Amino acid sequence: GQQLNQSPQSMFIQEGEDVSMNCTSSSIFNTWLWYKQDPGEGPVLLIALYKAGELTSNGRLTAQFGITRKDSFLNISASIPSDVGIYFCAGQNRGSTLGRLYFGRGTQLTVWP
Amino acid sequence: DGGITQSPKYLFRKEGQNVTLSCEQNLNHDAMYWYRQDPGQGLRLIYYSQIVNDFQKGDIAEGYSVSREKKESFPLTVTSAQKNPTAFYLCASQLDRGGYEQYFGPGTRLTVT
Repeated sequence: GQQLNQSPQSMFIQEGEDVSMNCTSSSIFNTWLWYKQDPGEGPVLLIALYKAGELTSNGRLTAQFGITRKDSFLNISASIPSDVGIYFCAGQNRGSTLGRLYFGRGTQLTVWP
Repeated sequence: DGGITQSPKYLFRKEGQNVTLSCEQNLNHDAMYWYRQDPGQGLRLIYYSQIVNDFQKGDIAEGYSVSREKKESFPLTVTSAQKNPTAFYLCASQLDRGGYEQYFGPGTRLTVT
């Protein structure tokens, strides 16, 4: 299956810092999704993007759908300890017969107080 | 409450035994998915079903089987043919095959010794 390239693989930051991570693909998608997973739990949907160039915010989180449709970015501002977890990007071609998601390997975020 | 339930949370089995993982959703979603997650890896698709009585193999279907007799339920059987069954298994559902956001259950951690 197609694998998305997500970077960085891990991040160690101090509380209050901003965080940026990105995801790239060799194929285009018409939907990008960002999930967060806490240890031992299922991923939780953070943001969904449906249009190239779209910029969407959810609290301190902001995500962008790249103009080429082959990439997406997630920014977290003023990080707090509860931001710790694994962040996954996923691409989808909405309207196709499959509708399946293709996932990146995740970015492990650690926030030090 | 609407959502996806997976049971049990932890499952232990001896090598050579088949084991079935439960996944139920009350979101009235047509599509359901099973993923496997190993440490440091992304989510790998095992099987998916877009409608009742129909399902397709994902990227790593060998050693697994599924059924979809009811819209709400999509159980996964890990057979003795699966060479490395110890993993975290996640079930997800989606409104329909055309896309929209995919939502995850809390996961089942299977340990086979």
